[in-house]
Amino acid sequence: TQLLEQSPQFLSIQEGENLTVYCNSSSVFSSLQWYRQEPGEGPVLLVTVVTGGEVKKLKRLTFQFGDARKDSSLHITAAQPGDTGLYLCAGGTQTGANNLFFGTGTRLTVIP
Amino acid sequence: SAVISQKPSRDICQRGTSLTIQCQVDSQVTMMFWYRQQPGQSLTLIATANQGSEATYESGFVIDKFPISRPNLTFSTLTVSNMSPEDSSIYLCSVEDHGGNTEAFFGQGTRLTVV
Repeated sequence: TQLLEQSPQFLSIQEGENLTVYCNSSSVFSSLQWYRQEPGEGPVLLVTVVTGGEVKKLKRLTFQFGDARKDSSLHITAAQPGDTGLYLCAGGTQTGANNLFFGTGTRLTVIP
Repeated sequence: SAVISQKPSRDICQRGTSLTIQCQVDSQVTMMFWYRQQPGQSLTLIATANQGSEATYESGFVIDKFPISRPNLTFSTLTVSNMSPEDSSIYLCSVEDHGGNTEAFFGQGTRLTVV
């Protein structure tokens, strides 16, 4: 089982602040996804990164895949209350029936 | 992408009873996945549902407790049997897009409370 540890587990910040969420593993993944889940909904895909060192930006969100493809980070600039939710990283592999392994999750609360 | 409809969205059940959760996908998919998400936690894979064969269960989950049906390529059900309060969770249906990279699409989940 590929284990993905996220930190921090919980994060509560004021609107306008910046934050970074980390996703670390000892395993190498062919791709890394980030999902956000809001209450009463299933997780929704935000981004996929596939190349070691890759950086992707989605408005105020910046995603980075580690050079060794074992870790990733999500940075949010000027957080807004709408960013509140559970953030999940997930590592993808090319082998086996179950190709996706989810991280432990980071629950973010942005206070207006 | 795929659109996944899951029902019921929530239910409150008596202990000892069973609940069947339905998952409908708007396209044909080979594999469907069932996850459990306990309060405030991440996703734990229960089983992989394949059309035409028995589901494959992850460690800690057994068919007698979580029987799964997969009658065709767009539909699956998960039953939570003989429920206890410890089964109170969100249950999520998912499909994966293997076109290049593995990406998951989820239903809105079923929030189960066992009393």
